[in-house]
Amino acid sequence: DAGVTQSPTHLIKTRGQQVTLRCSPKSGHDTVSWYQQALGQGPQFIFQYYEEEERQRGNFPDRFSGHQFPNYSSELNVNALLLGDSALYLCASSQTGTVYEQYFGPGTRLTVT
Amino acid sequence: QKEVEQNSGPLSVPEGAIASLNCTYSDRGSQSFFWYRQYSGKSPELIMSIYSNGDKEDGRFTAQLNKASQYVSLLIRDSQPSDSATYLCAVNGNYGQNFVFGPGTRLSVLP
Repeated sequence: DAGVTQSPTHLIKTRGQQVTLRCSPKSGHDTVSWYQQALGQGPQFIFQYYEEEERQRGNFPDRFSGHQFPNYSSELNVNALLLGDSALYLCASSQTGTVYEQYFGPGTRLTVT
Repeated sequence: QKEVEQNSGPLSVPEGAIASLNCTYSDRGSQSFFWYRQYSGKSPELIMSIYSNGDKEDGRFTAQLNKASQYVSLLIRDSQPSDSATYLCAVNGNYGQNFVFGPGTRLSVLP
């Protein structure tokens, strides 16, 4: 049973550039959530996708956008990168229903220089 | 603004002891509660979920929930050095939306 996968593992970008991160959910899951985790902090909710639509969004600027594809995989796009965007970006998948356990992928470490 | 708070840590316990991790949350409408373990440089791993008041046991782990006090805890019995990690408390409301995580408590189990 394949777990949540993310790509790439690591990424180095320059301020002002754009980045796209990818996530494939765990088999049987239809919901994908994205989180940003700065060093020494808990994950911060960015947004959640279900049925190819953004269902809920956290307190992140419009520079952060996403997409969900018919196969439930998802992308996170960040435009106009800032130094403060350097963090571990986590994707979590879950199955909409009565149990809302989220399972995380290994994350993408983004460094903005 | 939903908030989740945890012991600031770090928490150090000797091997074989019971480690007690605490979490409080601000949103009374919260329905589901989770504990994740995160090793340094790795992603969070779900170790316990609890949805109703009382205790839930799974091996050496026991989660305790008290919705009236807006409090959830995790007990780790017979702590092992391999339990040394950061433990994250997560809370969400209806329909699985918008998990809110606490800042985490770093646990160190000393051999």
